[in-house]
Amino acid sequence: SQKIEQNSEALNIQEGKTATLTCNYTNYSPAYLQWYRQDPGRGPVFLLLIRENEKEKRKERLKVTFDTTLKQSLFHITASQPADSATYLCALRMDSSYKLIFGSGTRLLVRP
Amino acid sequence: DAGVIQSPRHEVTEMGQEVTLRCKPISGHNSLFWYRQTMMRGLELLIYFNNNVPIDDSGMPEDRFSAKMPNASFSTLKIQPSEPRDSAVYFCASSNSGDTDTQYFGPGTRLTVL
Repeated sequence: SQKIEQNSEALNIQEGKTATLTCNYTNYSPAYLQWYRQDPGRGPVFLLLIRENEKEKRKERLKVTFDTTLKQSLFHITASQPADSATYLCALRMDSSYKLIFGSGTRLLVRP
Repeated sequence: DAGVIQSPRHEVTEMGQEVTLRCKPISGHNSLFWYRQTMMRGLELLIYFNNNVPIDDSGMPEDRFSAKMPNASFSTLKIQPSEPRDSAVYFCASSNSGDTDTQYFGPGTRLTVL
């Protein structure tokens, strides 16, 4: 069966450290993968997109990797800040499909 | 740019009542999505419109749910009759269909059915 898995347990880290979140999928062949941030009481907000033929993408303190062999994406936040505390969702899109399939998200807590 | 606008932000109703959720997408976007988010099931796509036409409603739970998009700037999601298991946060998202289809989400409507 098709699955997208993100750590259900919250990730709790100290300010200044690098946060690494994982998105694993099975039985999908995504054309690209997106990461969204969701704050309590708000809708998800797009952060980064990485295509199947890209290994790594960066944007300021954010970095995303995509390994289609391992069927895994890693999302890194360097020099983390308390303001980075939120839930982070990965979403897959297949070729020739309008649908985004979302993971359940991982909650990140950055302690000051 | 005002972003995607949803109303109401919160709705509390009794079982059996009709509920109508509203969405105004970002101007110029031609794709609109309705999602439902719960702790148990995460973010689920209910229905997708492209150029005001429903393309895929396979995620609509049952006949009690219906959605319309009479024009490019307005969509509704209706539940009739509502049931307690419909309690969730309902999001509307819009995008400009193209290469990446980044979706822009509204703030959501938190629905509680008693």
